[in-house]
Amino acid sequence: EAQVTQNPRYLITVTGKKLTVTCSQNMNHEYMSWYRQDPGLGLRQIYYSMNVEVTDKGDVPEGYKVSRKEKRNFPLILESPSPNQTSLYFCASSARLAGIVEQYFGPGTRLTVT
Amino acid sequence: AQSVSQHNHHVILSEAASLELGCNYSYGGTVNLFWYVQYPGQHLQLLLKYFSGDPLVKGIKGFEAEFIKSKFSFNLRKPSVQWSDTAEYFCAAAVGRTSYDKVIFGPGTSLSVIP
Repeated sequence: EAQVTQNPRYLITVTGKKLTVTCSQNMNHEYMSWYRQDPGLGLRQIYYSMNVEVTDKGDVPEGYKVSRKEKRNFPLILESPSPNQTSLYFCASSARLAGIVEQYFGPGTRLTVT
Repeated sequence: AQSVSQHNHHVILSEAASLELGCNYSYGGTVNLFWYVQYPGQHLQLLLKYFSGDPLVKGIKGFEAEFIKSKFSFNLRKPSVQWSDTAEYFCAAAVGRTSYDKVIFGPGTSLSVIP
């Protein structure tokens, strides 16, 4: 079954404690992306990757890091989480032509930073 | 700055009513446009997309959207909504100088359909 998986689905942590949210896709997609969803703001893109070892900043990259060492995986790293990073996070992947074709979204990770 | 706006924050309709959700984007270059739906407790799913060609695109579940370049708009329509269409709807634009990889979402429109 074609899917994007994220782990963990729920996470409560404390300010400053480094964490990683994993994302994996089994569709051999070149493109992967991370978003955060906040009420009234919709989804905002954090980082995206057009292929292995190629990443770029979205609209809200501050406080986040990513890496793309393998095509299927695109982890999101919060080196020193802060309460304003409490949010619902979605990973997505897409095939690419001149750009993304259609994004498939993961189930989301709800992060709370206290 | 690049942005996507959606006209309505919350829409309430009765079953069988017609639906139109407005979306406008702010970007001077070529864009690829999308509508996604998020049913309660679920992740986003693609309704339809526009890359080029016929500005009237048809998607799943009876939805369609019209791209009007002169108005920078990509409005979503459905002639007769059902209770099962209750969801959050997001318009999105993929932009970029050489490839369309940066994605900007609108804030979303929450649709409630009353039986």
